[in-house]
Amino acid sequence: DVKVTQSSRYLVKRTGEKVFLECVQDMDHENMFWYRQDPGLGLRLIYFSYDVKMKEKGDIPEGYSVSREKKERFSLILESASTNQTSMYLCASSPPGITNNEQFFGPGTRLTVL
Amino acid sequence: AQSVTQLGSHVSVSEGALVLLRCNYSSSVPPYLFWYVQYPNQGLQLLLKYTSAATLVKGINGFEAEFKKSETSFHLTKPSAHMSDAAEYFCAVNPSSARGSRLTFGEGTQLTVNP
Repeated sequence: DVKVTQSSRYLVKRTGEKVFLECVQDMDHENMFWYRQDPGLGLRLIYFSYDVKMKEKGDIPEGYSVSREKKERFSLILESASTNQTSMYLCASSPPGITNNEQFFGPGTRLTVL
Repeated sequence: AQSVTQLGSHVSVSEGALVLLRCNYSSSVPPYLFWYVQYPNQGLQLLLKYTSAATLVKGINGFEAEFKKSETSFHLTKPSAHMSDAAEYFCAVNPSSARGSRLTFGEGTQLTVNP
């Protein structure tokens, strides 16, 4: 089974803190994604990466950055957390090539910024 | 830009009743379409996907969806709801086969199953 793991299920941070959310997948997937999920808005893509050291902005990249130094790991960084970044963050990965393949999701990190 | 519309943010059915969750997409070309389910406090899990092989797609847990190009719809159905089907359901579209193309998700539909 494909496993996508996220470093924390719940996280509480203070405004202005630097926050790292880590995601690791164990199936050698080329593509990795970070989404945030908010009630009534569905999932919105923050950033994605289709190769090591490659990154592409999604629909809502402002206030976020990402890092992909190794194929299996994709990190989401909040340089200076703000209360409007309180949300559920979901990481996903998918195999290379054919893009009608499904994305495999981690369990999510619920981030609260106070 | 691609978009997906799920009609009804909340749907409530009785156990044993038909489940119908609606999804419409905007696309100028036949896209790849997906339905995902999210159980409480979990990530998303794929229910089924449309890849142009057949218009009626069968998925896990007794769910199926029919691709109707003329209606730009991909509605999800299950003949008989079970209590364990209570979850949030997301429709998603991938319009392209280009490298790095990604999914666009609908807003989600929360399904409640009443005993």
